[in-house]
Amino acid sequence: KAGVTQTPRYLIKTRGQQVTLSCSPISGHRSVSWYQQTPGQGLQFLFEYFSETQRNKGNFPGRFSGRQFSNSRSEMNVSTLELGDSALYLCASSLRGVDTEAFFGQGTRLTVV
Amino acid sequence: GESVGLHLPTLSVQEGDNSIINCAYSNSASDYFIWYKQESGKGPQFIIDIRSNMDKRQGQRVTVLLNKTVKHLSLQIAATQPGDSAVYFCAETQNSGYSTLTFGKGTMLLVSP
Repeated sequence: KAGVTQTPRYLIKTRGQQVTLSCSPISGHRSVSWYQQTPGQGLQFLFEYFSETQRNKGNFPGRFSGRQFSNSRSEMNVSTLELGDSALYLCASSLRGVDTEAFFGQGTRLTVV
Repeated sequence: GESVGLHLPTLSVQEGDNSIINCAYSNSASDYFIWYKQESGKGPQFIIDIRSNMDKRQGQRVTVLLNKTVKHLSLQIAATQPGDSAVYFCAETQNSGYSTLTFGKGTMLLVSP
């Protein structure tokens, strides 16, 4: 059974640019959550999608957005990149939410220069 | 806001010892707790979970204890191995069925041969 796949693994972007990250959940999982991980703030919740609907959103500015497709694949977009957006972005998939076991991908390492 | 925290940032043990990693949480409404292990360059990996109607749950070499009275969670690893070296996070959810995981800052476990 394939795990959670995140692409790309590494990205380098310039301030002001935008970026799109992709997450393919485990087959059959309908919930996809996104997290930002930094040394200073740790793991912070960005948003969660279930059946193409955003169910929950963390405390991040509107520059961070996401969506989920009918096949449960999800993308997150960050516009007008700032240096502080440099982080490891992780997605997690679960059957219906994290009251069921969540499986994380390896993450996308975003560096903003 | 309320968050999950850890008492010890780094724990060093010898191979074969038992390890105990602690976590304090402040939200009495939390009803589901999870321990994750994160190795370098990888996403968090589910270890074990426990719901608030339980005090103890055992897995293979791992045990999670929940003390709701003092809002404390611990992860016990028996016969710790070098492969157990990683950062361990506790996490909580505040609403069952909704994917908002609040993570602690993490504890680095270092196992010496």
